[in-house]
Amino acid sequence: EPEVTQTPSHQVTQMGQEVILRCVPISNHLYFYWYRQILGQKVEFLVSFYNNEISEKSEIFDDQFSVERPDGSNFTLKIRSTKLEDSAMYFCASSLQTSGVLYEQYFGPGTRLTVT
Amino acid sequence: AQSVTQLDSQVPVFEEAPVELRCNYSSSVSVYLFWYVQYPNQGLQLLLKYLSGSTLVKGINGFEAEFNKSQTSFHLRKPSVHISDTAEYFCAVSGDFGNEKLTFGTGTRLTIIP
Repeated sequence: EPEVTQTPSHQVTQMGQEVILRCVPISNHLYFYWYRQILGQKVEFLVSFYNNEISEKSEIFDDQFSVERPDGSNFTLKIRSTKLEDSAMYFCASSLQTSGVLYEQYFGPGTRLTVT
Repeated sequence: AQSVTQLDSQVPVFEEAPVELRCNYSSSVSVYLFWYVQYPNQGLQLLLKYLSGSTLVKGINGFEAEFNKSQTSFHLRKPSVHISDTAEYFCAVSGDFGNEKLTFGTGTRLTIIP
């Protein structure tokens, strides 16, 4: 069964450093998402991406964040200068696209980011 | 904008007993509703979804949920739980256009007592 994969599973970084979280969505999917879950809190939407551009972003997704689909398979989330409060589990998700029709979002296993 | 409230942060249940995990939502537009499960150290897996039609939806692993529009609820139920059901359960809502973001509740940790 196809699945969303994410690397690394755990990333430790120092405050102020840049990190790139990587995701490989399911191959025929066209909508991509990043969510995050701070320990003990709910899963929060960060950004959605379609046709090589951001389709929606939350207030969390400020100028420190960026997303990119550098090739036909990867989808990345970059945090330019990490802060302690960026420590969280980051989930990538993908779904098929058809206007007005819902398709399930498939989630990856997550990357746990720890900022020290 | 939508929001989701999961009223119970933790629910302990004896094995083979029934369980209900509560979820209420708020939205100014029509919505789709979902339940996701997160097993320890794993990602989110879709249990079931309500899009339209019958208000009782059945999902994987013997779970079902009932959409109640008047009470804005979407409670999850299982008639007999197993140890393997130990996990975190998240209720989520999205707008009904399609491919919209999911708004999650805070989750309910289901613990099965042998």
